[in-house]
Amino acid sequence: QVQLQQSGPGLVKPSQTLSLTCVISGDSVSSNSASWYWIRQSPSRGLEWLGRTYYRSNWYYDYAVSVRSRMTINPDTSKNQLSLQLKSVTPEDTAVYYCARVEAMGRGVAAFDIWGQGTMVTVSS
Amino acid sequence: DIQMTQSPSSLSASVGDRVTITCRASQGVGIFLNWYQQKPGKAPKLLIYAASSLQNGVPSRFTASGSGTDFTLTIISLQPEDLATYYCQQTYSTPPVTFGQGTRLEIK
Repeated sequence: QVQLQQSGPGLVKPSQTLSLTCVISGDSVSSNSASWYWIRQSPSRGLEWLGRTYYRSNWYYDYAVSVRSRMTINPDTSKNQLSLQLKSVTPEDTAVYYCARVEAMGRGVAAFDIWGQGTMVTVSS
Repeated sequence: DIQMTQSPSSLSASVGDRVTITCRASQGVGIFLNWYQQKPGKAPKLLIYAASSLQNGVPSRFTASGSGTDFTLTIISLQPEDLATYYCQQTYSTPPVTFGQGTRLEIK
């Protein structure tokens, strides 16, 4: 049974760096079939994808245009986890943050089949 | 980017009712369309993938159809535990992944 367990602070000050971790159990961060995403959700933006990483003999990374200059995803194979760092946060980064797995589901279509429990992050002084 | 538009934004229905939610893509996505259910305070949960395939463990009262730009999710006989917000998501052109804005379902 695959599970994603998130951890990280719930309060971050403006201009600081938001750091979250997602520990994977039951699968591998270096799986050759899965992709690992960070997504956030806020009333103003809805569900917004932030970035992803996946391993296909090499590590690949994609980031949303809105956060590309500020965001880094790091897979850690020794701990089987991935992390999110978002620099220079503002109150607009206040949201619930999720890690999630994308896997091929059949009929050639992939979907978010496993989600972390979510972390509410508030950016405030 | 492909935009996903759901309607209605919210609806209220009674237990036993048939409920239909629609999702329209700004361009054709084939069957690369998934549906999720999000209960209050929880992460989204995959209900339907590939436009019409039921995810393992999802009750058969959930059914979906469509291809191209127009999709529907139907709950055949609404149950109290179906109180949730429902999202569609395209996986045809990624990145970026895009979701609909959600349909909030209330039980009368």
